[in-house]
Amino acid sequence: GQQLNQSPQSMFIQEGEDVSMNCTSSSIFNTWLWYKQDPGEGPVLLIALYKAGELTSNGRLTAQFGITRKDSFLNISASIPSDVGIYFCAGPNAGGTSYGKLTFGQGTILTVHP
Amino acid sequence: GAVVSQHPSWVICKSGTSVKIECRSLDFQATTMFWYRQFPKQSLMLMATSNEGSKATYEQGVEKDKFLINHASLTLSTLTVTSAHPEDSSFYICSAGTSGNEQYFGPGTRLTVT
Repeated sequence: GQQLNQSPQSMFIQEGEDVSMNCTSSSIFNTWLWYKQDPGEGPVLLIALYKAGELTSNGRLTAQFGITRKDSFLNISASIPSDVGIYFCAGPNAGGTSYGKLTFGQGTILTVHP
Repeated sequence: GAVVSQHPSWVICKSGTSVKIECRSLDFQATTMFWYRQFPKQSLMLMATSNEGSKATYEQGVEKDKFLINHASLTLSTLTVTSAHPEDSSFYICSAGTSGNEQYFGPGTRLTVT
């Protein structure tokens, strides 16, 4: 089946630093989704990407849909303590019986030191 | 928009009893909802796809008789953990899909079986 490889697995940064994480796949995705999950909560959708090459921002967050449609990047600028959490990339599976299901990356655990 | 609620947010039950978790899409209709299970610091594991008006589709290795899913309306899906055991203790999260391939997650339910 489809798999997403997300890296890095964890990051420890100082407040104010920029952060970058990425997801790669051996197969093509038509949509890339980036979620953030706070401890004890469900994931919250940050950015949705629908077009190869698309670059979308949401405040200090910027995500890009790779030209090959096999990768995506999420950048966080000027990190703050509330950016702490687990970030997941996800993409919808191909059609057939898997339609509508999401494949998730392994997650990136972000820790921000004040 | 696209708000999903879950109830209860946490529950403690005794081994051998059953627990029902509700998932509601508050401001949109969802013909498809998904149920996930998550262990600490791990990614989400899809358990089943809940389809309104028809039987749920379970992922490989998930016992359908143990995890009963009912999707009686376009805004409500329920997951019942039957004859719960301590190994069923986990964080259960539901999501509801939209036409744009995005999924919106509920806040999760922490189940502890004693």
